[in-house]
Formats: sequence, structure tokens, C-alpha cells
Amino acid sequence: EADIYQTPRYLVIGTGKKITLECSQTMGHDKMYWYQQDPGMELHLIHYSYGVNSTEKGDLSSESTVSRIRTEHFPLTLESARPSHTSQYLCASSTGTYNSPLHFGNGTRLTVT
Amino acid sequence: GNSVTQMEGPVTLSEEAFLTINCTYTATGYPSLFWYVQYPGEGLQLLLKATKADDKGSNKGFEATYRKETTSFHLEKGSVQVSDSAVYFCALSGYGGSQGNLIFGKGTKLSVKP
Repeated sequence: EADIYQTPRYLVIGTGKKITLECSQTMGHDKMYWYQQDPGMELHLIHYSYGVNSTEKGDLSSESTVSRIRTEHFPLTLESARPSHTSQYLCASSTGTYNSPLHFGNGTRLTVT
Repeated sequence: GNSVTQMEGPVTLSEEAFLTINCTYTATGYPSLFWYVQYPGEGLQLLLKATKADDKGSNKGFEATYRKETTSFHLEKGSVQVSDSAVYFCALSGYGGSQGNLIFGKGTKLSVKP
């Protein structure tokens, strides 16, 4: 079954550590996204990609970086985690056409102590 | 620019009550409109969508009609269940400057009591 996977589901890590949040999709979608979701539930787009070797910054400035070396894989990296990075991170994908819906993973809940 | 405004929550209802979650939008052109639902501990799922004026999207007993004259896409359900407790997001397809990205409302949390 085609789907989108995020690992880990939960991550508790100390300040200053480097972390990578994984996201993979099996639908062959060109466009992928990372959203940060605050405790009030609001979604903020932090990164997106149109396809391989394409990465763009979203509406909310983020210290994280992303890469897109393979169509199916869109990892997010924080070089030095801080408590302000504590949040829920949601990955999504779509075909990229005008009316295409987004397919979301179940998210990674990150806590930086 | 394009934007979505949805009613603030939380909304608390008793089982079998009627649900309305208001959503209005501002957009140039003819965007598509969506409702997404997020159950506890999960990502968002597409609930329904409408791609042109007067279209009605429906799924799992939920309905929403694309009203261009009132720029609205209100979500309704005639009889809610405890299992409908979730956060609901209204969204419109990015158009004219949003690089094709969806624009989401801030979400409305619904709690249904037995």
C-alpha cells in the first residue's frame, strides 16, 4: 500500500545534538513538504521540494535544513538542537499538480531538553 | 494575498448533535478548497474537497459546499459521534504567489462527549 512514513515517532534529545528526521514515501510523488505544528495546532510550512535536487524554504523561517537526493526520501536535519526546536514535525507529499491533495505522515514529536 | 479563516475552537458537542465549523477564504482566481482532519497522535488526512463553485464535497457524513458568493466552505455533519473528536483544518490550493502550496487555517478542535 502506498504511504508516507516518518521516523522516529518520538525523539527526546539533549541540547546541541545533531538530529535527522526521516521521511519516505512510496507513491512516487514529486512534491514533498515539511510542516512544523505548534501546540496550538497551527501548521507552519518550513521546507518543500519540487523534486530531486530541489529544496525551497517555506513561510516560517527555520534553522533546519533538508535534502532531496532521491524522489522518495526527504530528510530534515537540525545541526544543533535547542529547546526552541521542540515541536511536532509533519512530512507530506503530493503529485504537485494544482488541485492535488497532500498526503501526510504521522509526524515526529521532538523534545529537546 | 490568499488566506483562510476558520472558527476558533475548541468546540464541544454531545453525541448526535449537529456540527458546523465555519471557514471563509480570500483568494484570487478559482482555488480548490479542502477539509483535512487530524486524529489524536496522527498526521492530517484529507476529509473532502471541492474544486469549483457550487461543488459539494462529502465523506463519512461530512459535507461542505464551495460558495463563491460568500467565499465560504463551511463543514457540516448532521449527527456527530465520539469518534469524530479531532482537529479540523480548512485549506485552499495555493494560487497566485504561494508556489502551489496549500494554505491552511489555524485548525478547530472538536470534542464530542457521549
